[in-house]
Amino acid sequence: SQTIHQWPATLVQPVGSPLSLECTVEGTSNPNLYWYRQAAGRGLQLLFYSVGIGQISSEVPQNLSASRPQDRQFILSSKKLLLSDSGFYLCAWKKGRQPSYEQYFGPGTRLTVT
Amino acid sequence: RKEVEQDPGPFNVPEGATVAFNCTYSNSASQSFFWYRQDCRKEPKLLMSVYSSGNEDGRFTAQLNRASQYISLLIRDSKLSDSATYLCVVRDLGTDSNYQLIWGAGTKLIIKP
Repeated sequence: SQTIHQWPATLVQPVGSPLSLECTVEGTSNPNLYWYRQAAGRGLQLLFYSVGIGQISSEVPQNLSASRPQDRQFILSSKKLLLSDSGFYLCAWKKGRQPSYEQYFGPGTRLTVT
Repeated sequence: RKEVEQDPGPFNVPEGATVAFNCTYSNSASQSFFWYRQDCRKEPKLLMSVYSSGNEDGRFTAQLNRASQYISLLIRDSKLSDSATYLCVVRDLGTDSNYQLIWGAGTKLIIKP
């Protein structure tokens, strides 16, 4: 069965510091991968998605970036965090090249920028 | 702007009761719909997919009304463990003309003993 891992689970970072969040998927190959952010009381906001190694699409302009160095690894980064970057960051996967659209989530990283 | 709207609640419901939520979506061309459940401070988990007029899974029934552009979720014989936030999700075109999932902010359900 497929599993998705994210770390760290929680993170407190000062404004202006860098960020690196990692997500890995097991038990599947060629997945589509997604980074979302969830602010309190809001719907999930899609930040980035990737359909393959090195292929990144960005949905919103911001100071975040994403990379996919391996098939089942997705990384979210920032060079300088802003207060507005605080939130619950979720990585998700779906079966690539399949006519199914369900996405499955990792446990998330709760980021507080101080 | 394409949106998915839900009543934020909370819905306070006695154990054993039946509860229903509605969710409205703005794009009449949307084809795929989902309900996810999210426990406090946890990740969303898929509850049901709705690809046609509706879907039923045990105590849970989802119905789609394309004419009025809403999806409903009905929970029968509610359990304490049903307490969670229920997220309505619609598959729609994103800003880069590729399909993506558009998420509602969720309806909070509290089941009371």
